Amino acid sequence: ETGVTQTPRHLVMGMTNKKSLKCEQHLGHNAMYWYKQSAKKPLELMFVYNFKEQTENNSVPSRFSPECPNSSHLFLHLHTLQPEDSALYLCASSQVAGGRTGELFFGEGSRLTVL
Amino acid sequence: SQQGEEDPQALSIQEGENATMNCSYKTSINNLQWYRQNSGRGLVHLILIRSNEREKHSGRLRVTLDTSKKSSSLLITASRAADTASYFCATDNDMRFGAGTRLTVKP
Repeated sequence: ETGVTQTPRHLVMGMTNKKSLKCEQHLGHNAMYWYKQSAKKPLELMFVYNFKEQTENNSVPSRFSPECPNSSHLFLHLHTLQPEDSALYLCASSQVAGGRTGELFFGEGSRLTVL
Repeated sequence: SQQGEEDPQALSIQEGENATMNCSYKTSINNLQWYRQNSGRGLVHLILIRSNEREKHSGRLRVTLDTSKKSSSLLITASRAADTASYFCATDNDMRFGAGTRLTVKP
């Protein structure tokens, strides 16, 4: 138990569906992250939020839409995905982001399969 | 592009042997961190070394940092089958990870 909870753990969706991934942290952190891990590819940093403000968007396609309503919750809204978007999506949190970042705490991930 | 790059990509050793993996990075840092990932799970933080530290220990883990060479190494001593996992490094200024080192410890 890392203090970061991701739901759902597994998700299968069609290319025309709309779904959301949820991440919640109980650590009192101010920064939250989304990473994508595809088979045989490095972990890709997708988005970073610091004090609810998006501070990084690494050229992620618009079919991925993040939302950070408060420092404890982070969502990734998914729509019109492609099969190549199938991956493990990892959420993480840290005290702050953007230099002198300390330890990241990761959730167990949401395994997404796009049919 | 990622800041931390690990090598080798894969390492296979026998139980009881030591495992060494390396990390290189590109820009100046305040700290460097090592993480472990069991297959299909989230990453777990192992150890953080600050830029003014040269070596740090935690149990069977020993991490070194050479800021002049922009490199770090992670040594796992007396390895166990349970150490089988992927190991990643990241630097504090962007928290990007490389492809990792896949360590297999054979019983």
